Amino acid sequence: DTGVSQDPRHKITKRGQNVTFRCDPISEHNRLYWYRQTLGQGPEFLTYFQNEAQLEKSRLLSDRFSAERPKGSFSTLEIQRTEQGDSAMYLCASSPGTEGEKLFFGSGTQLSVL
Amino acid sequence: QQPVQSPQAVILREGEDAVINCSSSKALYSVHWYRQKHGEAPVFLMILLKGGEQKGHEKISASFNEKKQQSSLYLTASQLSYSGTYFCGTERGGKLIFGQGTELSVKP
Repeated sequence: DTGVSQDPRHKITKRGQNVTFRCDPISEHNRLYWYRQTLGQGPEFLTYFQNEAQLEKSRLLSDRFSAERPKGSFSTLEIQRTEQGDSAMYLCASSPGTEGEKLFFGSGTQLSVL
Repeated sequence: QQPVQSPQAVILREGEDAVINCSSSKALYSVHWYRQKHGEAPVFLMILLKGGEQKGHEKISASFNEKKQQSSLYLTASQLSYSGTYFCGTERGGKLIFGQGTELSVKP
């Protein structure tokens, strides 16, 4: 069990550029979640997958955000035309697959949009 | 929909006790508690699945009152290692919605 890994750890980009983050969940974990966290706030839900199916996407999420989980393994989160307000820590978490189970978080990707 | 935590911050001396509260305006079916140290990922502490149930993790325990739609986290005889931000999370349609966090600082 190697834990949830995220890549890159840090990303600095210019406004208007596209960025993509990757998350590798714990193997055999069926559920994968993406959260966003800004300083002094709790993790804010973005989207989650059950295997390869995206079950829900936050209404707060603009169309510039898209996530995929091909083959139900790793997941990518893409932000198009980044804005300064997108600057945040993007956290990925996984769980075995049923409700009421704990989440295992990755170390996150810190995005800075200049 | 976000659960509300109180207090927002607390400062303790080593060995003192603290209580962190989490309340929701909607019915609670389960409550999760996580701790996050600065610059690190949130780490799971415990889940409470039944009303009135108390669970413990070393000297950290929690209660869950379904009727009052709230949960409390109890930290007993705090240690320096307890410092961090504590989040409660409530389940909504398969996902966790987190509170804004309570920052706990334990001083020697």
